[in-house]
Formats: sequence, structure tokens, C-alpha cells
Amino acid sequence: DAKTTQPTSMDCAEGRAANLPCNHSTISGNEYVYWYRQIHSQGPQYIIHGLKNNETNEMASLIITEDRKSSTLILPHATLRDTAVYYCIVRVANDYKLSFGAGTTVTVRA
Amino acid sequence: DGGITQSPKYLFRKEGQNVTLSCEQNLNHDAMYWYRQDPGQGLRLIYYSQIVNDFQKGDIAEGYSVSREKKESFPLTVTSAQKNPTAFYLCASSRHSSGTVRQPQHFGDGTRLSIL
Repeated sequence: DAKTTQPTSMDCAEGRAANLPCNHSTISGNEYVYWYRQIHSQGPQYIIHGLKNNETNEMASLIITEDRKSSTLILPHATLRDTAVYYCIVRVANDYKLSFGAGTTVTVRA
Repeated sequence: DGGITQSPKYLFRKEGQNVTLSCEQNLNHDAMYWYRQDPGQGLRLIYYSQIVNDFQKGDIAEGYSVSREKKESFPLTVTSAQKNPTAFYLCASSRHSSGTVRQPQHFGDGTRLSIL
């Protein structure tokens, strides 16, 4: 799997958009970008994934650059419940495992 | 509601004992997985199963065993051979992936195992 690089931590004000960057400069053409988050003492929660087009669902938006070397997860209106560790993962097509790095610890403040 | 249920939430084991962690899903997913998470670290794959009566070792299978007799259930046994079993254990499931599209995995809330 391609290695990903994320900032260690970031703060966000409640009600504002949170933009979480991820670099994956060695990504291959058949690797998808996935985002998960893990709230303390809970299992990881799937957020969104994409290949090259921007994606949006009820939780977030995923913006992937044209060269696919980086992406941004956008939480449009952050709430206190969005405080968690956010993981950016890229996966090869025939690999069943998820490889989580250190992620970004996001703290939403009132 | 559909989801993945892991039980118990907390589990204590004496040295030398085997212990079995339960994982049940009602999402009608074909594939199931077991991961281990140590404090401050990412997830490591223990075993996974793509279909009933079949499973494969992950990166850290030594000292663990699994069974997949039913689609809904994928129990994990931590044997006495696992030298450092204290960890947070996570079960996940996903729909069967086809081609190059890898379906997302959905996780339970985990079982925290401690050695007495």
C-alpha cells in the first residue's frame, strides 16, 4: 500500500468546516483513498472513499487532486461529536487488510 | 438496526487460559476480519474470512485461532500461546469485493482484553 502522511493534530471550531489533508504521493493507479475515524474506545467508523473523482456523502466530502498525490477530507459543519482520530488510507485492489497509520487527532472546540 | 456486535466489551484472562471473543453481524456481509490495536498504534490484521468455512491468516496470526461456521459469526480464540494478548480487539465485516473496487469495512465497538 502507498504510504500516507497526515498532520499529527488539528483544532477546529464548532460549526466551522474542518479540512483534513492527506499526502499520498506514491499512490498507484488502482489504489483507492479511504477515510475512517476512531472515537476514543470505539471501533473505527468508515467515512468515505474515492478513486479520482470528488465524492460526497452525508458525513463528508472527499477532494482528490488531479494528480492523485493528495486529498482533503472536508467535514462541512464540525460538531463536538466529530472529535476523533481521522485516518487516511490507500489500498491496493487485492489486499484485504486496512493499514492504519497514526492519523490526525481532530479536536472540535466550542 | 444492522451492525456488528462484539462481546464482551471488557474481558479478563488468567495466564495460560484460552479465551474466545464473539463477533456477530447482521449486515449480510460475506467477509469478516479480526484486528488487534495496541495503545497509540494502528490496526494489525489477525485473520480474515471471505466466505463461510474458509479463512486466511493475517499479519499476526500466531497464538490466535478462528472459525467461520456461519455467515453471521466469526469468533476469535486467543490461546495461551499468544504471549502478549493484552490489547483492543476489533472485528469488522464488508461486502464481497469484486474487481478493483474494495468495499469498505465496518467495525464493531471492540473487546478490550486484559491479563490478570
